Amino acid sequence: QKEVEQNSGPLSVPEGAIASLNCTYSDRVSQSFFWYRQYSGKSPELIMSIYSNGDKEDGRFTAQLNKASQYVSLLIRDSQPSDSATYLCAGFNAGNNRKLIWGLGTSLAVNP
Amino acid sequence: DTGVSQDPRHKITKRGQNVTFRCDPISEHNRLYWYRQTLGQGPEFLTYFQNEAQLEKSRLLSDRFSAERPKGSFSTLEIQRTEQGDSAMYLCASSSQGGVSYNEQFFGPGTRLTVL
Repeated sequence: QKEVEQNSGPLSVPEGAIASLNCTYSDRVSQSFFWYRQYSGKSPELIMSIYSNGDKEDGRFTAQLNKASQYVSLLIRDSQPSDSATYLCAGFNAGNNRKLIWGLGTSLAVNP
Repeated sequence: DTGVSQDPRHKITKRGQNVTFRCDPISEHNRLYWYRQTLGQGPEFLTYFQNEAQLEKSRLLSDRFSAERPKGSFSTLEIQRTEQGDSAMYLCASSSQGGVSYNEQFFGPGTRLTVL
């Protein structure tokens, strides 16, 4: 199993819908997670961090962490065309809160 | 609040030349990271500094790569004898050791390297 896995997509949703992005992780990844958004040709931009089991909301974004299932997700409500980007999930190397382990990213397209 | 800055934003060089990139982290951040990213991949960890100390370096990193952070502020990444396989986006990130955004890494705009 890869350390952090994401479905590469593309995930296509209509404008105004909820986009759901998912990530699973192995035992080699600690349970602190980060979601980054990356537009083509640009650098990653931090969207959300989540450290505890459960949900964390920030505006239109909700991150969910389920430690028992080793699963972390990002929900985007009222999706806008400007949300179209690649979303990267990352977690720390277990026992080392310095080195991030990254998924390959999920491409999201929000259609007007 | 000034974010992470990187210079240059783009670099085109010929195979065999040396290149050096600079990163200026967010001023109150004591941790600095270098990553490399190629198309369709997540960022690949290269090295990490806490203040001026280089605490970790990827085992995948060739001896042609070296990084410094001499005064615990800005950092440089040098690639000697560049190869075409070095073509990538080089990303710098910084984080703080405490505070509200503890451990959150913030990225600069990146330096895109093309080796001809």
